[in-house]
Amino acid sequence: DAGITQSPRHKVTETGTPVTLRCHQTENHRYMYWYRQDPGHGLRLIHYSYGVKDTDKGEVSDGYSVSRSKTEDFLLTLESATSSQTSVYFCAISDRVKVYEQYFGPGTRLTVT
Amino acid sequence: QQQVKQSPQSLIVQKGGISIINCAYENTAFDYFPWYQQFPGKGPALLIAIRPDVSEKKEGRFTISFNKSAKQFSLHIMDSQPGDSATYFCAASKGYSTLTFGKGTMLLVSP
Repeated sequence: DAGITQSPRHKVTETGTPVTLRCHQTENHRYMYWYRQDPGHGLRLIHYSYGVKDTDKGEVSDGYSVSRSKTEDFLLTLESATSSQTSVYFCAISDRVKVYEQYFGPGTRLTVT
Repeated sequence: QQQVKQSPQSLIVQKGGISIINCAYENTAFDYFPWYQQFPGKGPALLIAIRPDVSEKKEGRFTISFNKSAKQFSLHIMDSQPGDSATYFCAASKGYSTLTFGKGTMLLVSP
């Protein structure tokens, strides 16, 4: 998985609790992304980062926040988890020039009960 | 607004047959069109990509055909094998911006 790890790999949490997912890369790529994957919706971009402390919203950013204090780490936080945020979350990285060539992590399956 | 439309949602092909997945886009500013392959329980992986100034690109059994005037592109898998059974996503990117994915096609190649 191109030097990308995600933690945790599985998580079950209750509605209303905060959740933080971590993505760690060893490739020194500038761009990092968070996607969610749901049946019938494909991959939808939540947030992305184009450098340390530089982030921007994606298609489905409501209810999510991100932070990137180091090149290698990109955190996704659900401030108050809802059942609609039950999903599989993927982190991806890319070089600045080849945005179309993204490398994905193994995913985190999150269940909000 | 869905900027990349993918069809079909699912596809069953016999071993040795040709699998064809189609995508259409709206934004003429898109400048790169990759295809990703995803096996169950894994993250997607880049399979093949094409620029709009090229009408066809082939890598092994996988071929992208691109029709700029129709704003359509397709993935052809020749001599499909059971190991090709996966979900395939088309996508489009614009400059240094992000990727926009289609909704995916679940391919099953029957033995």
